[in-house]
Amino acid sequence: DAGVIQSPRHEVTEMGQEVTLRCKPISGHNSLFWYRQTMMRGLELLIYFNNNVPIDDSGMPEDRFSAKMPNASFSTLKIQPSEPRDSAVYFCASSFRVFEAFFGQGTRLTVV
Amino acid sequence: GQQVMQIPQYQHVQEGEDFTTYCNSSTTLSNIQWYKQRPGGHPVFLIQLVKSGEVKKQKRLTFQFGEAKKNSSLHITATQTTDVGTYFCAGVPGNKLVFGAGTILRVKS
Repeated sequence: DAGVIQSPRHEVTEMGQEVTLRCKPISGHNSLFWYRQTMMRGLELLIYFNNNVPIDDSGMPEDRFSAKMPNASFSTLKIQPSEPRDSAVYFCASSFRVFEAFFGQGTRLTVV
Repeated sequence: GQQVMQIPQYQHVQEGEDFTTYCNSSTTLSNIQWYKQRPGGHPVFLIQLVKSGEVKKQKRLTFQFGEAKKNSSLHITATQTTDVGTYFCAGVPGNKLVFGAGTILRVKS
């Protein structure tokens, strides 16, 4: 297995534009997490899916953020419209239940 | 909300010195996990502790889970330059994985 695959690795966009981050979890894992990492706030859990169903989205900062998991092998995190304060590294992680989370390489988002 | 607190935020040690990072939760945890993130990398799983009072070792690393399952520690004996990075604890209160803020370790050679 290639591990958790995230795309793109880097994204630079202008304020106000829509940004879509993609994640392919490890096959067989039934939990998927989206995290955001910044120097100021550390590693924040944005949303957690179990068996493709969003279980906890209390970490999603505001309505500009949305996440979907249409099937067991794909998830997206969308920001619309993007703002400079959204600049961060976004990680997707998957696990079987909540044991040993495997992280993707992350997407470094810069909003200018 | 559910929080996992981790201290210290940052530690700079001389190579060969020991290092410890501590993790505390406001709620009882079903298990606690430790991860390491190298500079520019992504968090990588190190270990999971499940039982009250559990102690596990990985070479120079010793992990402990408190009796009340609300705190944990990671101790590194005789640090090496390869130990640099950020060490995160992650607690499982309920059914989600909540990370501490991490401890950044720098090692002077």
